[in-house]
Amino acid sequence: QKEVEQNSGPLSVPEGAIASLNCTYSDRGSQSFFWYRQYSGKSPELIMSIYSNGDKEDGRFTAQLNKASQYVSLLIRDSQPSDSATYLCAVKVGYSSASKIIFGSGTRLSIRP
Amino acid sequence: DGGITQSPKYLFRKEGQNVTLSCEQNLNHDAMYWYRQDPGQGLRLIYYSQIVNDFQKGDIAEGYSVSREKKESFPLTVTSAQKNPTAFYLCASSIMGQGGTEAFFGQGTRLTVV
Repeated sequence: QKEVEQNSGPLSVPEGAIASLNCTYSDRGSQSFFWYRQYSGKSPELIMSIYSNGDKEDGRFTAQLNKASQYVSLLIRDSQPSDSATYLCAVKVGYSSASKIIFGSGTRLSIRP
Repeated sequence: DGGITQSPKYLFRKEGQNVTLSCEQNLNHDAMYWYRQDPGQGLRLIYYSQIVNDFQKGDIAEGYSVSREKKESFPLTVTSAQKNPTAFYLCASSIMGQGGTEAFFGQGTRLTVV
């Protein structure tokens, strides 16, 4: 089982709709969770971080965390063509000097006009 | 400006050569990471370091080596033992601790074997 799993997509969503991206992780002790956006040929940029169960909202983005189900998601409201990118889920695993950040394989999102 | 600087942006390696990718950060972050990304794939962890003079192997460390002699610097050497090194290499850094530990990335180095 991969440590962080995402549906590779592509996920196609009409402009103005809600895009829903999902991620599961295997390390039950994980405490830190991140969503990154990556445009083709560029490095990943941080969208959201979430550390507690529940929802965290930032503008059009909402991250949701359910530690009991080992599930984290990202909702993008009012999707825009500029949101077309690959979205990477990342989880911090381990403790102290052995802690590391592991990434999923990413979900390609396409917003159609 | 604070940030992470990777150099060079593009690098070409001949068969059997060792090459070193530079990564420098002035964010005063303790942790630094190297990832490899192949086309259409996610990020795979090569090496990581939480403190100076200490580093750990990631999932795909074979054929790579690192050093962490200074907090600001974490160079990656791609050795001739790495048989398929063509990829996009990303360096990242973060603070240590339980909260606010997100990683920030440099602009990447694209390595091609010629």
